[in-house]
Amino acid sequence: KQEVTQIPAALSVPEGENLVLNCSFTDSAIYNLQWFRQDPGKGLTSLLLIQSSQREQTSGRLNASLDKSSGRSTLYIAASQPGDSATYLCAVRGYNNNDMRFGAGTRLTVKP
Amino acid sequence: ETGVTQTPRHLVMGMTNKKSLKCEQHLGHNAMYWYKQSAKKPLELMFVYNFKEQTENNSVPSRFSPECPNSSHLFLHLHTLQPEDSALYLCASSQDRGGTSGYQETQYFGPGTRLLVL
Repeated sequence: KQEVTQIPAALSVPEGENLVLNCSFTDSAIYNLQWFRQDPGKGLTSLLLIQSSQREQTSGRLNASLDKSSGRSTLYIAASQPGDSATYLCAVRGYNNNDMRFGAGTRLTVKP
Repeated sequence: ETGVTQTPRHLVMGMTNKKSLKCEQHLGHNAMYWYKQSAKKPLELMFVYNFKEQTENNSVPSRFSPECPNSSHLFLHLHTLQPEDSALYLCASSQDRGGTSGYQETQYFGPGTRLLVL
């Protein structure tokens, strides 16, 4: 059974810092991995999706990497802003269509 | 707004009630999903519909009954729920399910329905 872990559970940084969020998974046979952000009381917003054949994806100040063999993904946020404050979730989809697993999330606070 | 709407946004119901959650997407997508987000557990995938056909059911109790009359609408019918079913229920859609392009699988979420079962 796939297990997804996100570390740290919470992170607080001053504005302008570069930061890294971590996601690890136990079964490397994945179809893809997605990073989402969730604002309080709201649904999820997809940030980046990495297929199993890819090693990274970039969108603006965000860069996500994937290392299947080690079961890890990182989300790098450059020059953080207060508007980046949210909970960040990673989700792994396995080749079995029933298997889409989410981590518990990292709650990020960027202080002005 | 993401193009995915959910109603109601908040719902309080007793264990003997029957209610339905509604999701509508205006994105022309073919796949729709129901998720459950509890306070102390990671987000859980409940049901997946692809081209109006249910393709996945993640061992969800029968007191939750999904319905997908067309590719734009998805319902979750609730009956005889338990207090532990209280959670945020999220709906999502994607262009399809199982495409080879990441773009096709990118999911767009609604704001959720906050459900409290008394």
